[in-house]
Amino acid sequence: GQNIDQPTEMTATEGAIVQINCTYQTSGFNGLFWYQQHAGEAPTFLSYNVLDGLEEKGRFSSFLSRSKGYSYLLLKELQMKDSASYLCAVREGNTNAGKSTFGDGTTLTVKP
Amino acid sequence: EAQVTQNPRYLITVTGKKLTVTCSQNMNHEYMSWYRQDPGLGLRQIYYSMNVEVTDKGDVPEGYKVSRKEKRNFPLILESPSPNQTSLYFCASSYRDQETQYFGPGTRLLVL
Repeated sequence: GQNIDQPTEMTATEGAIVQINCTYQTSGFNGLFWYQQHAGEAPTFLSYNVLDGLEEKGRFSSFLSRSKGYSYLLLKELQMKDSASYLCAVREGNTNAGKSTFGDGTTLTVKP
Repeated sequence: EAQVTQNPRYLITVTGKKLTVTCSQNMNHEYMSWYRQDPGLGLRQIYYSMNVEVTDKGDVPEGYKVSRKEKRNFPLILESPSPNQTSLYFCASSYRDQETQYFGPGTRLLVL
């Protein structure tokens, strides 16, 4: 199975940079996803890592180290609309292919 | 428009009264999954399906059933709902299990 840890809450200032960390323990790994979820809404996809390294998409970047069981999501030039919950999710592989485990989410508050 | 739809969006029911929440996707996705989300907790996977007639248990399958008779539909069945199944339910789909999931709008269920 999987165990995923991420901070419960973070606060940052508009225009700043924030890094949200995620650590995981897995019996089989088939990719790590980051999703954004605004209150009362469905999660939406932000990024995907399956190999080690940094993936950049505009203001958002995500990093993965499989050997350390570690990922982070980097948000640059923060905007008020970035206030949301950020979910780290790991897809299992091998005999558990298809199983997804989500962390409890990090609630980010962006202040003026 | 490519989308995942769920019905109903809101439901209040009583203990023991069987109910079905429908999920449909129009993207020809092979993989579909059901999650529940409770306050302070992340998304927890209930069941998933890798393709037609192939379903597997997630982390919290007790009290739920699913079926995948056709590719586009993946209904969630609660044979005898109980108050601890009060939750926000999300259906999701992806082209294959390794890829980005697209989430439906969610179904808020209250079991009295």
